[in-house]
Amino acid sequence: QVQLVQSGAEVKKPGASVKVSCKASGYTFTRNYIHWVRQAPGQGLEWMGIMNPSGGSTTYAQKFRGRVTMTRDTSTSTVYMELSSLKSEDTAVYYCARDAPYYSDDSGDAFDFWGQGTMVIVSS
Amino acid sequence: DIQMTQSPSSLSASVGDRVTITCRASESIDTYLNWYQQKLGKAPKVLIYAATSLQSGVSSRFSGSGSGTDFTLTISSLQPEDFATYYCQQSYSTPRTFGQGTKVEIK
Repeated sequence: QVQLVQSGAEVKKPGASVKVSCKASGYTFTRNYIHWVRQAPGQGLEWMGIMNPSGGSTTYAQKFRGRVTMTRDTSTSTVYMELSSLKSEDTAVYYCARDAPYYSDDSGDAFDFWGQGTMVIVSS
Repeated sequence: DIQMTQSPSSLSASVGDRVTITCRASESIDTYLNWYQQKLGKAPKVLIYAATSLQSGVSSRFSGSGSGTDFTLTISSLQPEDFATYYCQQSYSTPRTFGQGTKVEIK
């Protein structure tokens, strides 16, 4: 069965960086892109970016460009999301989610499996 | 960026009620629209993809309709386990964007 298992909660000081991992299992790791989505306390869902585990290419939301880096380790089927220069507003639950294209030309996609979420608290 | 606007932001309904949630995109997104359900403290779960397709394993009381800019999620007969927050999301372009959510509460 498909599973995405994320690393545990983190507490960081403003200005620091955090690196969250997302370990995939139950499918061929390189066949599906991985998205990162975050959710601040009591707020909605915010898309951060997407990575292709096969070639390592990434696309980031404009809001996070320059602060976010998504990488992968194909030997362990793990994707990483690192966010730097943390601010209190970055306090949120961070999710990884598997991309599932739904048209034959790979256009259109849904997030069909999600990690359990990683709480990141930024506080002095 | 494509803006997604849901209405209402919250609603109260009783078990057995028919519930409709709407989602409007700021520009045409064809049928590149997904619906998610999120329960408190849990990750979202996809219910409907490509505007009208039911995700495998999801109850048939959930249905989706629409194309272009206007979309609807309908729950035909609300069950106790359906009390949650629902989000629409477009996959027409990057960045992917979500509606602000609709919280369905018990009346």
